[in-house]
Amino acid sequence: EVHLVESGGTLVKPGGSLRVSCATSTFLFSNFYINWVRQAPGKGLEWVGLVKTTFHGGTTEYAAPVKGRFTISRDFSKDTVYLDMSNVKTEDTAVYYCVTEKSGTFDNWGQGTLVTVSS
Amino acid sequence: QSALTQPASVSGSAGQSITISCSGTTGDVGRYNYVSWYQQHPGKAPRLIIYDVNNRPSGVSSRFSGTKSGNAASLTITGLQAEDEADYYCSSYTGDITRLYVFGTGTQVAVL
Repeated sequence: EVHLVESGGTLVKPGGSLRVSCATSTFLFSNFYINWVRQAPGKGLEWVGLVKTTFHGGTTEYAAPVKGRFTISRDFSKDTVYLDMSNVKTEDTAVYYCVTEKSGTFDNWGQGTLVTVSS
Repeated sequence: QSALTQPASVSGSAGQSITISCSGTTGDVGRYNYVSWYQQHPGKAPRLIIYDVNNRPSGVSSRFSGTKSGNAASLTITGLQAEDEADYYCSSYTGDITRLYVFGTGTQVAVL
């Protein structure tokens, strides 16, 4: 069974920075793109960004609302994917899910971690 | 590029069938067969139930099925059960690097 475990969600002030983590496995790093998808309280799902497999260059893509403020990276020694969030806004308040994706399908989801942006 | 359009709510009696629509554009649903559906119970993470328009992952009930026609996709649940009461989201690949994936607005399913 595939496991993804997010952590690091907390309360942060507007304009501040935060890192959330997604602990996975070496298998996932090698075979799946790792995406971040968020869900604002009581709202729908929104794609945030992804990091590709090493085979596909390990590059990243971001949604327009977060491009330039969010950065996705990987630590192979810890089998962990990070989402670094900077200059956060109140509209970034959401549960952030770490999700594996292959051929356009989000097939395995973590339990999510709540990020609250408020003064 | 806005979210895919779904009805806010759909309801049906236990045992009945319901269909949830997902309306997109020629740039997403109409262009790619990377349409998937997710079920989300309150307080839980979403769960994949349909991928590539009409395929079910292992372990998902055959009561769930998907189709696509033009710029619209749909999810049908037959033999509605109490456990099907949840929120459902469609998703499509767009090919647009500023928004590679778009989700639907979500549909709350109630079992009467």
